[in-house]
Amino acid sequence: DTGVSQDPRHKITKRGQNVTFRCDPISEHNRLYWYRQTLGQGPEFLTYFQNEAQLEKSRLLSDRFSAERPKGSFSTLEIQRTEQGDSAMYLCASSLPFRLAGRQETQYFGPGTRLLVL
Amino acid sequence: ELKVEQNPLFLSMQEGKNYTIYCNYSTTSDRLYWYRQDPGKSLESLFVLLSNGAVKQEGRLMASLDTKARLSTLHITAAVHDLSATYFCAVVISLDSNYQLIWGAGTKLIIKP
Repeated sequence: DTGVSQDPRHKITKRGQNVTFRCDPISEHNRLYWYRQTLGQGPEFLTYFQNEAQLEKSRLLSDRFSAERPKGSFSTLEIQRTEQGDSAMYLCASSLPFRLAGRQETQYFGPGTRLLVL
Repeated sequence: ELKVEQNPLFLSMQEGKNYTIYCNYSTTSDRLYWYRQDPGKSLESLFVLLSNGAVKQEGRLMASLDTKARLSTLHITAAVHDLSATYFCAVVISLDSNYQLIWGAGTKLIIKP
């Protein structure tokens, strides 16, 4: 399977703990996105990488959230001092470079990591 | 601020019927996506619509875009149970050399046999 993969698929943690999620994009995709989705809502943009550079970050992303993509391949999303309001599905998506996809560029999503903060 | 509104948010229908889901957005955009999400699963791309009057069809689903009215529709023809899912539209806003997708809240579609 050469799709987007995410690990872990489920995470239960206690409030105040730190958690880290990993995303492996489709290999030829240089763009990588993180989203958060809560029940009954559409995905909410968190941050975006092009290769290793973090180019966009949502105003909604508090200082407790940090994302990296050190070698332009996989990415990690860390949440420090988790709060109950952080409980959600965290989705990763990747897409081809604009020069290859043009305006047909489509984001391909991974299966998500479901986080529950107790 | 771009807002994307879908309606209805919930739709229960019988197999064999036709229905339309609407996606309205509040500011100019030149690209709109439709995605499908099954319960507990991730999002699957269905269509990307690039221009005014664009129409795309795949099986029993047909999507259209009217950029002047800032409206996209997803039409379901002769619905079958397998189409039960939540359908999202997402609108592009351009940010310098990048872009973001702004998502609707989704339409949960249940098709009864």
